[in-house]
Amino acid sequence: QITLKESGPTLVKPTQTLTLTCTFSGFSLTTNGLGVGWIRQPPEKALEWVALVYWDDDKRYSPSLRSRLTITKDASKNQVVLTMTNMGPVDTGTYHCVLLFRGVARHWGQGTLVSVSS
Amino acid sequence: DIQLTQSPSTLSAAVGDRVTITCRASQSVGFWLAWFQQKPGKAPKLLIYKGSSLESGVPSRFSGSGSGSELILTISSLQPDDFATYYCQQYNSFPWTFGQGTKVEMK
Repeated sequence: QITLKESGPTLVKPTQTLTLTCTFSGFSLTTNGLGVGWIRQPPEKALEWVALVYWDDDKRYSPSLRSRLTITKDASKNQVVLTMTNMGPVDTGTYHCVLLFRGVARHWGQGTLVSVSS
Repeated sequence: DIQLTQSPSTLSAAVGDRVTITCRASQSVGFWLAWFQQKPGKAPKLLIYKGSSLESGVPSRFSGSGSGSELILTISSLQPDDFATYYCQQYNSFPWTFGQGTKVEMK
């Protein structure tokens, strides 16, 4: 059974750095073709791709967020970590961790709500 | 970036209705498009990938068609469990992008 679970702070202050961890089970990020990504959703708004990392450590970032993002994987711990610097109120939303197979987000974590407020 | 525009944004339908949602892309995405269903407070669920391939476990009343710049999601006979918001997403080229969503509500 494949599961993904996001963890991290629920509240960050403006200008702070957000660190989110995706802990997964049921697959290995050393498997050819697999990737783990992050998708976010502001309250009552549409979904937005943030970043992803593939089994071979190929990384892709949203161009609009790229300067603020770092994604890393630790396959031995079954974890992917996303850091986003200089957080602002517009970054408030639910952040989902997803398993990518053949480019498609097939499995989703339940998501974690991050609020940015002083 | 490839822009995806879904129509309609909101759709009122009754149980048993045939429902179609269109996803138009600002440039061709081939058939590299997925459809997701999202219910309030829940994570999205994959319905269709590669334009028309039904994800395992998804009811056959859901189907995808089209390619290039216009792709369509069809629900052949709307069921009570299908009232939700639907999103298309292209994975033809980075950055991957989503449509703005189509809310299917009860008439």
